[in-house]
Amino acid sequence: GNSVTQMEGPVTLSEEAFLTINCTYTATGYPSLFWYVQYPGEGLQLLLKATKADDKGSNKGFEATYRKETTSFHLEKGSVQVSDSAVYFCAGGSNYKLTFGKGTLLTVNP
Amino acid sequence: EAGVVQSPRYKIIEKKQPVAFWCNPISGHNTLYWYLQNLGQGPELLIRYENEEAVDDSQLPKDRFSAERLKGVDSTLKIQPAELGDSAVYLCASSFGLHGGVSYNEQFFGPGTRLTVL
Repeated sequence: GNSVTQMEGPVTLSEEAFLTINCTYTATGYPSLFWYVQYPGEGLQLLLKATKADDKGSNKGFEATYRKETTSFHLEKGSVQVSDSAVYFCAGGSNYKLTFGKGTLLTVNP
Repeated sequence: EAGVVQSPRYKIIEKKQPVAFWCNPISGHNTLYWYLQNLGQGPELLIRYENEEAVDDSQLPKDRFSAERLKGVDSTLKIQPAELGDSAVYLCASSFGLHGGVSYNEQFFGPGTRLTVL
C-alpha cells in the first residue's frame, strides 16, 4: 500500500535558522504531494502542494520540490520564525485518498 | 467565510458509553471526510462522503462506528460502545468536490474533537 515517511521530531531551532524536514513517499504511480501545518489548538491547514514531478510548491517562505526519482518532497525554509512553531505533516495521494506521515513537531526559539 | 465546524471540541466518557461527533463542512463543499488521529500519528481516513453517499468506508470499523450525512451537508460520526482504544482526535474535513467535470480536492480541516475514554 501507500506510505509516507517523514523525519521524526521534535526539531528545535533558533530564530532565523534554516529548516529542512525530509519526506519520502512510496506508491503505485505518481501521486500529488502536500505539506500540511497544524498550529496549537487548530485544524490542519494546507501549506503547499505539488501535483507532478519537478513541481515546486511554495508558501509563506516554505518550499518543497517534487523529486520523481526518489518520490521525495522535502520541506525547506531559509529563515524560520517563532511563529512557525507547529506540527508539519507530509501527505501524498491521488484524487481524494491522502496518506499522511506521522508529523514533525517544530519549535523555534527566539 | 466560516471554516469547517466541529463539536464538541472535547469529550470525556466512560468505556461502553456511546458518543457522537458533529461536523458542518464549508458551505458548498460536496465532499466530506472523517479522519482518526492517534497521538503522535498522522490522520487516517475513516470515511468519505460525496454529497449524502458514503463512497469510501473501507477503514471504518463498522461493528462500533457509524456515520451519516442525511442531507448531504452536515454529518455525524457515532461510536457505540466506546472502548479505551478509541481515545484520539476525530477530524472532519471537506473539499469542493467534482464540479463541471473538474475535481477540486484540496481538503480543509476542522479543529477536531478530542475524545478521552476512561
